[in-house]
Amino acid sequence: QLQLQESGPGLVKPSETLSLTCTISGDSISSNNHDWGWIRQPPGKGLEWIGSFYYGGRTYYNLSLKSRVTISADTSKIQFSLKLSSVTAADTAVYYCARLSRGGIDYWGQGTLVTVSS
Amino acid sequence: QSALTQPASVSGSPGQSITISCTGSSSDVGAYNYVSWYQQHPGKAPKVMIYEVSNRPSGVSNRFSGSKSGNTASLTISGLQAEDEADYYCTSFTTRNTLIFGGGTKVTVL
Repeated sequence: QLQLQESGPGLVKPSETLSLTCTISGDSISSNNHDWGWIRQPPGKGLEWIGSFYYGGRTYYNLSLKSRVTISADTSKIQFSLKLSSVTAADTAVYYCARLSRGGIDYWGQGTLVTVSS
Repeated sequence: QSALTQPASVSGSPGQSITISCTGSSSDVGAYNYVSWYQQHPGKAPKVMIYEVSNRPSGVSNRFSGSKSGNTASLTISGLQAEDEADYYCTSFTTRNTLIFGGGTKVTVL
């Protein structure tokens, strides 16, 4: 059974870089059948796609975040990461990593809350 | 890119049927049959209920069904039950190889 687990600091200072890692069990990012990505949800608000990638292929980002986001795969092939630079309070959210399939998302991590505050 | 348009809330009595709409454009909902629907209970991660417009993953009740006409997709929940009370989100793959979410619909079981 595929499982995804987000990890990283729960508190980030304004203007710094948010860094999260997603660890996969039960699959590999090189399986080439799926994209992998990140979604976030500010407290009390809706879901927002941040970006996703296909191993060995391109990475696509939400245009509203593109200048600040980097999603990359680890050489271990069971981890991938999210970096979001120059964060503000508006970046406070639950961040989910996910596996994409058939144009949607078939597996989600449990999510991790990241708060931007000094 | 603007979010897909969903009603903020929909309600129904137990046993009734409700339908949630998800309106986009010819660049997303209308472009492909890649519309999915997710159910989210408070404090939980979303769960896929429908993928590729009308397909149900294994384990999802057949009370959930999806359809699409033009730039609008719909999720119908029949035989509404108390456990269906949750937030529901649609997503669509887009012609820019991105994913776009709807704003979410809160379903209340009266």
